[in-house]
Amino acid sequence: DTAVSQTPKYLVTQMGNDKSIKCEQNLGHDTMYWYKQDSKKFLKIMFSYNNKELIINETVPNRFSPKSPDKAHLNLHINSLELGDSAVYFCASSQAPYEQYFGPGTRLTVT
Amino acid sequence: DAKTTQPNSMESNEEEPVHLPCNHSTISGTDYIHWYRQLPSQGPEYVIHGLTSNVNNRMASLAIAEDRKSSTLILHRATLRDAAVYYCILRDNTGNQFYFGTGTSLTVIP
Repeated sequence: DTAVSQTPKYLVTQMGNDKSIKCEQNLGHDTMYWYKQDSKKFLKIMFSYNNKELIINETVPNRFSPKSPDKAHLNLHINSLELGDSAVYFCASSQAPYEQYFGPGTRLTVT
Repeated sequence: DAKTTQPNSMESNEEEPVHLPCNHSTISGTDYIHWYRQLPSQGPEYVIHGLTSNVNNRMASLAIAEDRKSSTLILHRATLRDAAVYYCILRDNTGNQFYFGTGTSLTVIP
């Protein structure tokens, strides 16, 4: 069983489009996260949700909007995509404050 | 935001021990030291964590300096599958502040 899954694995889209990335965890964790890894491999936290409530919102453009319908899901919606949004996006979960489990990543390419 | 400093890259021969250093001079008393690694084309995976005492698990050992301003991840016998980027991270006691640095890219030479 996959602990943290993301869909899609690859996403290629044009500038200006709106897209969503989905994340699901079956570990029963209460906290979920979104990270962005840029081309230089720097991994930066974007958002964190605890029991469906936003607890971390780093300096991220408001074109990015996380949605947590329940504890097991944290989706990332991105409006008006820009070239600079191209990156690998990782979802993670944890039973805070313990170790985080990461998904396989979604490689987003904006053309 | 990154509060840790690591060498950009290191090399090790296969089946030899590897010591990966990390400096965290601004660590607070309640910060935990976490290590994660990221294999090529995969998400990061947890390796080990500690607060003050040295820690051992099936993957590695963590040696923490007495003043907690540095730590060392020890892989006892490097294998080719250990080639990855290793991240040293400080985590506060809420578990919510979790900042990755630039990490150390480990190359294992057969």
